[in-house]
Amino acid sequence: AQTVTQSQPEMSVQEAETVTLSCTYDTSESNYYLFWYKQPPSRQMILVIRQEAYKQQNATENRFSVNFQKAAKSFSLKISDSQLGDTAMYFCAFMKPDNDMRFGAGTRLTVKP
Amino acid sequence: DTAVSQTPKYLVTQMGNDKSIKCEQNLGHDTMYWYKQDSKKFLKIMFSYNNKELIINETVPNRFSPKSPDKAHLNLHINSLELGDSAVYFCASSHKAGNQPQHFGDGTRLSIL
Repeated sequence: AQTVTQSQPEMSVQEAETVTLSCTYDTSESNYYLFWYKQPPSRQMILVIRQEAYKQQNATENRFSVNFQKAAKSFSLKISDSQLGDTAMYFCAFMKPDNDMRFGAGTRLTVKP
Repeated sequence: DTAVSQTPKYLVTQMGNDKSIKCEQNLGHDTMYWYKQDSKKFLKIMFSYNNKELIINETVPNRFSPKSPDKAHLNLHINSLELGDSAVYFCASSHKAGNQPQHFGDGTRLSIL
């Protein structure tokens, strides 16, 4: 079974600074997909970024980028130039090709003005 | 415009009652899911359907019964509600291809009195 671990229950960052959220996973699969989802207080689940395991290049979406280390089974999220609207729960997710997706426990990020 | 819509958004009911949550997606996806998010924000998959066929059926009490009348709808019926069923239930959808992210509805907060 796949497990996803987010070791930081809570983090905070000053506005305009950079923060990195950690995620590790355990799997015996060779082909899989990784995602970061954001859940603001409004409760919506919003896709932030995704990474295919077969791609060596780290994914980037504007201020959000990942550091994907396949051998270490690590998938961290870096948020640059943090904004107040980035305050949310962030979930790391692992998905097998059959669409079976498993989430980590989440990291609550607070951006301080 | 809503891509994945769930109704109702809030559901407050008594222990022992039977209730249903409806989900519809207009994204043309062929796979739909139900997730449960508990009070600690932990997200766990319950079911997934692909073209009306049950694909993932996690260890969920058989009081929970999903129904997919067509590939755009996946409803969740819960019999004999218990206190432990209080949670937020999310519907999601995606294309079958494994590299596609899942799009989530806004969730239904179920509170059992």
